[in-house]
Amino acid sequence: EADIYQTPRYLVIGTGKKITLECSQTMGHDKMYWYQQDPGMELHLIHYSYGVNSTEKGDLSSESTVSRIRTEHFPLTLESARPSHTSQYLCASSSIGQTSSGSGGYTFGSGTRLTVV
Amino acid sequence: AQSVAQPEDQVNVAEGNPLTVKCTYSVSGNPYLFWYVQYPNRGLQFLLKYITGDNLVKGSYGFEAEFNKSQTSFHLKKPSALVSDSALYFCAVRLPHLYGQNFVFGPGTRLSVLP
Repeated sequence: EADIYQTPRYLVIGTGKKITLECSQTMGHDKMYWYQQDPGMELHLIHYSYGVNSTEKGDLSSESTVSRIRTEHFPLTLESARPSHTSQYLCASSSIGQTSSGSGGYTFGSGTRLTVV
Repeated sequence: AQSVAQPEDQVNVAEGNPLTVKCTYSVSGNPYLFWYVQYPNRGLQFLLKYITGDNLVKGSYGFEAEFNKSQTSFHLKKPSALVSDSALYFCAVRLPHLYGQNFVFGPGTRLSVLP
């Protein structure tokens, strides 16, 4: 069972549209992340958050923005979608300092596959 | 620089044969090591981890991994591969500091198990 939820699973949208990808987790994790992944390729961190009102850009430059108003919610927004944004977006969470319990690592959502036409 | 390498983009193995997916890392300190699996159109699923203790760790679906500090490796293994093991596998390192972007993923290895 997933404890981190991403919606929608699939999205096809026209160029120039504003979209928000939703990510919510029920584990009370402090840290949350957004990764961009082309099919079958490596993960690229685009945003992360230590906690409420904390957001940071990741290793890969992205035109998207994020917000963290509530611990459990970490939405990603594209103000104006372009075909180059076509990709899979994975949300993940972890707890600061957690290693011995649970997986000790990240918990991933099922991803949102975005296609911009 | 902290990095994780998976030297093989693709590993092919026949069903029933043992499999190995390689991972080496370059980090300072004593890292925590993880393996994740990704099935098509899904997120990553945790397989196993090494924090401390026995160098051979056992995880989900019959997988195991051996931590070798001198070779800075954490290879994933399974004694007898199944077709259903075909997926993308990611090695990851969690750095010992708590803040910052402290999780580094390898580039992934695609495992194909042939019937």
